[in-house]
Amino acid sequence: GAVVSQHPSWVICKSGTSVKIECRSLDFQATTMFWYRQFPKQSLMLMATSNEGSKATYEQGVEKDKFLINHASLTLSTLTVTSAHPEDSSFYICSVAPLGTDTQYFGPGTRLTVL
Amino acid sequence: AQSVTQPDIHITVSEGASLELRCNYSYGATPYLFWYVQSPGQGLQLLLKYFSGDTLVQGIKGFEAEFKRSQSSFNLRKPSVHWSDAAEYFCAVGQLQGAQKLVFGQGTRLTINP
Repeated sequence: GAVVSQHPSWVICKSGTSVKIECRSLDFQATTMFWYRQFPKQSLMLMATSNEGSKATYEQGVEKDKFLINHASLTLSTLTVTSAHPEDSSFYICSVAPLGTDTQYFGPGTRLTVL
Repeated sequence: AQSVTQPDIHITVSEGASLELRCNYSYGATPYLFWYVQSPGQGLQLLLKYFSGDTLVQGIKGFEAEFKRSQSSFNLRKPSVHWSDAAEYFCAVGQLQGAQKLVFGQGTRLTINP
């Protein structure tokens, strides 16, 4: 399967700061990447669809000004959690759908803890 | 709207025993169905998927799943589990076309007794 990396794997920050999470597809190009959020012992919830060269599409209830997504190239998408608060603490996971396929491949996730 | 239900939050089986994890979906058209496994500290790994054709699909690690349209189910099975199968299992349904927009079930945590 395809290889997807995320950086960092975990981060601890103070309330009010911003955190950037990177998602890279290492062996293929993807016009579409997805960002999910997973609370402890819960399922993955889709936050937004990241489209290369255009604005991201956010799911209902997700604040686009708080969760900034940039998909600058066919192999990199970033999620920035702005002015993070303790309630933003969660496991953030990206996935990639390679061009011409209908399967998503997931990154290992980034655990964010906001103090 | 799409939805996925995994009725069992936690299942415990003995090593070597058979396993069936249940998944029911709600979708207006023919669904794309997936099973993923998530081990602690690792990302989701695709076990198998169903798009069309043979309703019994084989996956990695000895898993299989059967699509039953009449029951709106896509249950995951394995004839004999290994201790390394202990993990969280997620069923997901996706859109028919293009890059998938997945809706996940709540997950089933599998514990293996020695």
